[in-house]
Amino acid sequence: NAGVTQTPKFRVLKTGQSMTLLCAQDMNHEYMYWYRQDPGMGLRLIHYSVGEGTTAKGEVPDGYNVSRLKKQNFLLGLESAAPSQTSVYFCASSQILGYTFGSGTRLTVV
Amino acid sequence: GQQLNQSPQSMFIQEGEDVSMNCTSSSIFNTWLWYKQDPGEGPVLLIALYKAGELTSNGRLTAQFGITRKDSFLNISASIPSDVGIYFCAGRARETSGSRLTFGEGTQLTVNP
Repeated sequence: NAGVTQTPKFRVLKTGQSMTLLCAQDMNHEYMYWYRQDPGMGLRLIHYSVGEGTTAKGEVPDGYNVSRLKKQNFLLGLESAAPSQTSVYFCASSQILGYTFGSGTRLTVV
Repeated sequence: GQQLNQSPQSMFIQEGEDVSMNCTSSSIFNTWLWYKQDPGEGPVLLIALYKAGELTSNGRLTAQFGITRKDSFLNISASIPSDVGIYFCAGRARETSGSRLTFGEGTQLTVNP
């Protein structure tokens, strides 16, 4: 009963480096989401997916790419990290009702 | 796009006091949800509301779906230290694809023993 698992939990990147954040869910949920959380700004949607093989842009998609090759996994990529991408990233999954969130990835870009 | 205004942004209260927070929307929602986020963790669902006027309780927590469908309220009675955290409202409009939620900016609650 893991729910939603995010890896890694912490990461420090240098400006211009790339990385991939992994989200895995074991609830067979159709919908998956990536959010970023910044102080005083709540949770902002980056990208989301309504099923395997599908992705769509959210509120703040610039600088990020995603892939959903398998139903249980949703990957968030940063091709060239910038300091403005320093944030806490949360993945969530949903069937219809409320979301189930992962515990987050704290990313610092220096 | 849809916007949610959540207030207050922060609250500092004494243990045992009651707490109220609310969210207002620029558009009509057909679902309102309230989440709590503990430090270092992801948000966890507290209460879900699906009908205008609905009043739902979960222990010491009570939430209401506003009649206008543009607001929601969360009350916490007799607060205890473990109530500390960030509380988020979230709403979903009927026409939203992908079951997406719009989140408020959060209310940071501090409870002094």
